[in-house]
Amino acid sequence: GAGVSQSPSNKVTEKGKDVELRCDPISGHTALYWYRQSLGQGLEFLIYFQGNSAPDKSGLPSDRFSAERTGGSVSTLTIQRTQQEDSAVYLCASSLLSPYEQYFGPGTRLTVT
Amino acid sequence: ELKVEQNPLFLSMQEGKNYTIYCNYSTTSDRLYWYRQDPGKSLESLFVLLSNGAVKQEGRLMASLDTKARLSTLHITAAVHDLSATYFCAVVENNTDKLIFGTGTRLQVFP
Repeated sequence: GAGVSQSPSNKVTEKGKDVELRCDPISGHTALYWYRQSLGQGLEFLIYFQGNSAPDKSGLPSDRFSAERTGGSVSTLTIQRTQQEDSAVYLCASSLLSPYEQYFGPGTRLTVT
Repeated sequence: ELKVEQNPLFLSMQEGKNYTIYCNYSTTSDRLYWYRQDPGKSLESLFVLLSNGAVKQEGRLMASLDTKARLSTLHITAAVHDLSATYFCAVVENNTDKLIFGTGTRLQVFP
């Protein structure tokens, strides 16, 4: 079956611009997670959605980062006024139910110039 | 705050040899995962360990969990080149569903 998909696969943007990253979870998965992977910081948790509950935003690094999940399916991670330190691979994962196995998407490589 | 440490960070080993990667975590958790990542690729789930004493094996890899010691091991038996990748352990923070990742162990298997 189809796995987690993310788009775009690569994004190059100028400092100060806003970007939107999209995640399509596996159909039927109720939990959706965003992580960031960068050379200096390793793999970091950003935000987590479970069903209709309020998201756990405790990993978002600043108020320039936000995410939403529409209709309990697709999620969009938005970074406003991008900075060079935002350059990283942004990974999305979904699971059937929290806290079971998380399946990761291919990631979006973001480069801020 | 939950912290997860892996060692070694880098492992170069000869084909046919055995080795163990260690994953220590700082606070109570009973859920631990091992992932593999190939260069430029995403994370592939290897093992899910959900209870103290859990042991799982797949091919040349075997993972175990000791929740009392807050330690998981990933044992490699008779390594082959195809196992070359970066291996991450990740621990679920209790009372949340956040995965906290270790630093990763970059494994290189040479002939």
